[in-house]
Amino acid sequence: NFMLTQPHSVSESPGKTVTISCTRSSGSIASAYVQWFQQRPGHSPTTVIYEDNQRPSGVPDRFSGSFDSSSNSASLTISGLKTEDEADYYCQSYDSSNRVFGGGTKLTVL
Amino acid sequence: EVQLVESGGGLVKPGGSLRLSCAASGFTFGSYSMNWVRQAPGKGLEWVSSTSTSGAYTHYAESVKGRFTISRDNAKNSLYLQMNSLRAEDTAMYYCARDFSWGISDYWGQGTLVTVSS
Repeated sequence: NFMLTQPHSVSESPGKTVTISCTRSSGSIASAYVQWFQQRPGHSPTTVIYEDNQRPSGVPDRFSGSFDSSSNSASLTISGLKTEDEADYYCQSYDSSNRVFGGGTKLTVL
Repeated sequence: EVQLVESGGGLVKPGGSLRLSCAASGFTFGSYSMNWVRQAPGKGLEWVSSTSTSGAYTHYAESVKGRFTISRDNAKNSLYLQMNSLRAEDTAMYYCARDFSWGISDYWGQGTLVTVSS
């Protein structure tokens, strides 16, 4: 099984841009899609990015996803930060019989 | 509107059993693979188990293999998780989640809390 490693926390000011990384330990990051979930305190997770860079309807285009094969990492970028973006963010990927979540990143917008 | 509603959580002693249910509505349940994901208090998300559309294929995290059984009843639009030999480390909020494609979840329920304690 592979692991996905995220920074424990990031912080940025309103209106700025933040990027959260997700590094795959073994196997290619390009071998399976990466999803990103947002979880606000006391709430269930919601999908903000699926299939590496696709946004579900209702998710603002301030949220974008990408991956970089050279670093074997995926990234979630949030531009024009708002206080409502403050939450935990999890990356997730899978293989034929498992799915793996990153440890989560706490985003503070201050 | 897609809805997933979990139930069946509660307080159980170590070594005990519990059966969780997830009632689905707003979509053709039998056309989607389904999952259970858990979150221990103050911790991150942990995948528990997945089942294919028919239930013929099931997969489990190593931490629950041999103790938990995932199943589904497509006629009743319901997903289940039978949990046996429960341990303190199984204490968590348990979410059911729908896959719109294998490995890619799109909708989550609100969760049901399982507490394993003597």
